[in-house]
Amino acid sequence: DAGVTQSPTHLIKTRGQQVTLRCSPKSGHDTVSWYQQALGQGPQFIFQYYEEEERQRGNFPDRFSGHQFPNYSSELNVNALLLGDSALYLCASSIYRAGETQYFGPGTRLLVL
Amino acid sequence: AQKVTQAQTEISVVEKEDVTLDCVYETRDTTYYLFWYKQPPSGELVFLIRRNSFDEQNEISGRYSWNFQKSTSSFNFTITASQVVDSAVYFCALSGKETSGSRLTFGEGTQLTVNP
Repeated sequence: DAGVTQSPTHLIKTRGQQVTLRCSPKSGHDTVSWYQQALGQGPQFIFQYYEEEERQRGNFPDRFSGHQFPNYSSELNVNALLLGDSALYLCASSIYRAGETQYFGPGTRLLVL
Repeated sequence: AQKVTQAQTEISVVEKEDVTLDCVYETRDTTYYLFWYKQPPSGELVFLIRRNSFDEQNEISGRYSWNFQKSTSSFNFTITASQVVDSAVYFCALSGKETSGSRLTFGEGTQLTVNP
């Protein structure tokens, strides 16, 4: 049983560019959440997708957008990259119910120069 | 608003010592869920345990044990007879049913180093 997978593992971009990160959830899961983890800090919730709709959103600007596909996989898009967007981006999958355990992927390390 | 505080930024122990990681939380929800995750240097968050607010029964699982006390809003995690492989950053996390659904609020993490 494959766990949560993310691609790419590492990415280097320059300021102003756009980036797309991808996530495939664990088998049997229908919900994908995205988190940003800056160096030395705890993960911060970006948003959550269920049934191809954004269900919850954290305190992130509109430059951060996402999508969920019919097979439950998801993309995170970030436009107009800033240096401060450099972080580890973590995807988590779960069942859509309050309090359900979220299982995380290995993350994508984004460096913005 | 919900908040998780892990006051211990770094802990260093010698192998075979017991170590307790502290977690204090704040929430106005009556139903909430608490989690511990481990993050080794590879970066992936590994789920360790989940507890809901109605289950204060503490548990021991192998070398791990958990102490959940609603009266003090604490959810502490103990590793008995620590091993070098336990070295990682440990995160405590909270989700509240009424206000946050399943989104997780994390603490800042505790870096545990187990020396041989």
